[in-house]
Amino acid sequence: NAGVMQNPRHLVRRRGQEARLRCSPMKGHSHVYWYRQLPEEGLKFMVYLQKENIIDESGMPKERFSAEFPKEGPSILRIQQVVRGDSAAYFCASSTDSWEAFFGQGTRLTVV
Amino acid sequence: KQEVTQIPAALSVPEGENLVLNCSFTDSAIYNLQWFRQDPGKGLTSLLLIQSSQREQTSGRLNASLDKSSGRSTLYIAASQPGDSATYLCAVSSNDYKLSFGAGTTVTVRA
Repeated sequence: NAGVMQNPRHLVRRRGQEARLRCSPMKGHSHVYWYRQLPEEGLKFMVYLQKENIIDESGMPKERFSAEFPKEGPSILRIQQVVRGDSAAYFCASSTDSWEAFFGQGTRLTVV
Repeated sequence: KQEVTQIPAALSVPEGENLVLNCSFTDSAIYNLQWFRQDPGKGLTSLLLIQSSQREQTSGRLNASLDKSSGRSTLYIAASQPGDSATYLCAVSSNDYKLSFGAGTTVTVRA
């Protein structure tokens, strides 16, 4: 059973471009979460999704950020018109209904 | 709003010494508490999960205790090894899914 798979592992974008981060949850997991780790800071919750539904997006910036978890395929975190302050490690986690979270290796976004 | 604090921020010990990592949280109405390990540039590895009804969990050389009423958890690592060098994160869920993380304790075990 493969773990939570995130790609790409590293992503470099110029200011103003779009960043698309992908996450495939563990097999059998129907809950997906995205967290952001800014340099020298702890992980912060961004969004919680189930298939085709956003359950809680209270930690997501209101502009430029969006997330989806379609019926087929991975969950996508999309950042439009990236700025330097978006540079961070973005982690995806998944769980079953038992709520124990398993994390992926993360995507490290660098905005230049 | 749940606040999670980890003390100390960094710890350096000689190989073989026992490690004690502390985590405190402000809201005692928690669902569960997880301890994670993070290696530099890597993801998070779940070490132990303690449900709110439990007082402790053990896995090999690791033991975690939970005192909900005082808002504290302690992670003990017995007989430390250089391979234990990493950042250890404490995370608390106040509902069933949203984790609030501490800033972590960075551990260095000297050979």
